[in-house]
Amino acid sequence: AQSVAQPEDQVNVAEGNPLTVKCTYSVSGNPYLFWYVQYPNRGLQFLLKYITGDNLVKGSYGFEAEFNKSQTSFHLKKPSALVSDSALYFCAVRERMDSNYQLIWGAGTKLIIKP
Amino acid sequence: GAGVSQSPRYKVTKRGQDVALRCDPISGHVSLYWYRQALGQGPEFLTYFNYEAQQDKSGLPNDRFSAERPEGSISTLTIQRTEQRDSAMYRCASSPQSGFEQYFGPGTRLTVT
Repeated sequence: AQSVAQPEDQVNVAEGNPLTVKCTYSVSGNPYLFWYVQYPNRGLQFLLKYITGDNLVKGSYGFEAEFNKSQTSFHLKKPSALVSDSALYFCAVRERMDSNYQLIWGAGTKLIIKP
Repeated sequence: GAGVSQSPRYKVTKRGQDVALRCDPISGHVSLYWYRQALGQGPEFLTYFNYEAQQDKSGLPNDRFSAERPEGSISTLTIQRTEQRDSAMYRCASSPQSGFEQYFGPGTRLTVT
């Protein structure tokens, strides 16, 4: 069965420091991986995706994520955090050859950036 | 360009009434998804369409919930005989191609009293 784990309910980072939000996944074949962000009282926004190719994916707002097949991980990173990055972050996955196009969603990680 | 829109943004209804939630996807997007989201949690899949065809409705909680997308564009999620447990944020998303990134609307906050 496909699954996604976001092991941290909350991550606290000081402004200007690098941030990492962790995501690990389990699929039977090759994955498509996604990160979404949800700001307070707002809808979900697509940040970035890994489909194929370069393992380091760059997305919106200076975020990037690295696909690591051996560790089945897709951690979200940013070199220097901003207070405005504070939000809820969701990782999602689907198996590439799965004809069921549902995304499997992680439970979310609350990111708090302190000034 | 215009994003996904949903209407109404807020709906308060009495228990037992029917409600219809509308989603207007990004123009040209093939796939349309409906989700329900509890506060602080990830989206819960309800159903999805490719063009006008409902491909998967396995997430609909019971037969009071139904959805349609008759012309392959606008979609309506209908909840009949609403119950208090139906109170939630209902979100719609569209995707240019099945299984790829989804673009979400602002949601409809449904409150059943």
